[in-house]
Amino acid sequence: DAKTTQPTSMDCAEGRAANLPCNHSTISGNEYVYWYRQIHSQGPQYIIHGLKNNETNEMASLIITEDRKSSTLILPHATLRDTAVYYCIVRGDSNYQLIWGAGTKLIIKP
Amino acid sequence: DVKVTQSSRYLVKRTGEKVFLECVQDMDHENMFWYRQDPGLGLRLIYFSYDVKMKEKGDIPEGYSVSREKKERFSLILESASTNQTSMYLCASRGPSTGELFFGEGSRLTVL
Repeated sequence: DAKTTQPTSMDCAEGRAANLPCNHSTISGNEYVYWYRQIHSQGPQYIIHGLKNNETNEMASLIITEDRKSSTLILPHATLRDTAVYYCIVRGDSNYQLIWGAGTKLIIKP
Repeated sequence: DVKVTQSSRYLVKRTGEKVFLECVQDMDHENMFWYRQDPGLGLRLIYFSYDVKMKEKGDIPEGYSVSREKKERFSLILESASTNQTSMYLCASRGPSTGELFFGEGSRLTVL
């Protein structure tokens, strides 16, 4: 499984877009990029995933670079409830195991 | 709505006790997972199961065993709890189509 690198922490003002970067320079062709978040004392929550194309759902957008070596999760209008640790993970179809890094602690400020 | 339920949110046990952590999912998923999460170490996979009665060791299986007798239920067993097993334990199941993990709320175990 490819490893990912994320900033340790980030701040964002409430109502602004939060852009969370992730590097996965060793990603292989069949590995998906997944994003999860974990609010304090809760289990992680799935946000979005993608392979090559940009993806959007009701929670967020995922932008994957053309070379697939990095991606950005975008929360378009951050609220205080988006304060959490955000994890970027890559996984292939046949891989049961995920490698979870330390994630990015995102703090949304009023 | 998708649901993964862990039997206990908080447990306090004594060293040497046998501990059962239960996890039930209502999505008919084949794959289920047990993780532990410790500060500074992230989520680490203990065991996973890709079908009933099937199990595979994860990264840190020592001191743990699992049971998957029914598709919806995946149990984690600590045969003889030790203080270094004090941790947050997270159960997850995974759907076949999109592959995302669905997590329970977690069970925080303290071993005295």
